[in-house]
Amino acid sequence: DAGVIQSPRHEVTEMGQEVTLRCKPISGHDYLFWYRQTMMRGLELLIYFNNNVPIDDSGMPEDRFSAKMPNASFSTLKIQPSEPRDSAVYFCASSQQIYGYTFGSGTRLTVV
Amino acid sequence: DQQVKQNSPSLSVQEGRISILNCDYTNSMFDYFLWYKKYPAEGPTFLISISSIKDKNEDGRFTVFLNKSAKHLSLHIVPSQPGDSAVYFCAASRSGSARQLTFGSGTQLTVLP
Repeated sequence: DAGVIQSPRHEVTEMGQEVTLRCKPISGHDYLFWYRQTMMRGLELLIYFNNNVPIDDSGMPEDRFSAKMPNASFSTLKIQPSEPRDSAVYFCASSQQIYGYTFGSGTRLTVV
Repeated sequence: DQQVKQNSPSLSVQEGRISILNCDYTNSMFDYFLWYKKYPAEGPTFLISISSIKDKNEDGRFTVFLNKSAKHLSLHIVPSQPGDSAVYFCAASRSGSARQLTFGSGTQLTVLP
C-alpha cells in the first residue's frame, strides 16, 4: 500500500493564478479530509468527504477555495485566484476505521 | 476560537529524560483524544489515543494522561530519544462528529543528545 499520495510536493505560483492540489487516498478508505497547516493556526480542517460526497466544507476559508472528489480514488483542492496568504502546507488524509487517519506528505504552496 | 490548544510551541529535553507535552481543550463534548507526530516534509502519523472513559493509556515509552475535570491531557515520553524530535499535535473528537478531528497548533520537541 503506497499510502495517501499527494501531488505536487511543492508549488510556487504567482498571485492571481489558479492552483490545483491533488490527492489519491488509500484504497478502501471511505473518508477523505483536506487540512491546511500554518504556523499560527496549526492544522485546520478545510473540508471532508464521505463516499465521495462533501459532508462539511465549513472550514473552507473563502469562495476562492473549492474541492471535488469525482471518484473514490481521487480528490482535488483548487484555489482560484490564489493569494499570498494562502501560502501553507496542505495535507490530505483518508480514513476507514474510526479515528484512523492516514495523512499524505503534504503540498507546500507558496504564492508570491 | 481554538478548541484545542497547545500553549508551548517548543520544548527541549535532554536524551534519556522525560518529555511532557501538554494540551488543553475547551469543548466538553470531546470524548476521544489523539496525539500525532510529524517529521519535516512528512505528514502527521498517529501515535497514541485515549477515550474519555479512561484517564491513562500507555504504549511503550509513550503514555497519555487525561484530566477531564481540567480539560487537560498530556503526553509523556520516557525515556526521550533523539529520534523523538518532531512536532507533536494534539487532536480531539466527539461522538457523532463523523470522525472529524480538531487539532492543536503543535509543539516542536527537540531531544538533545
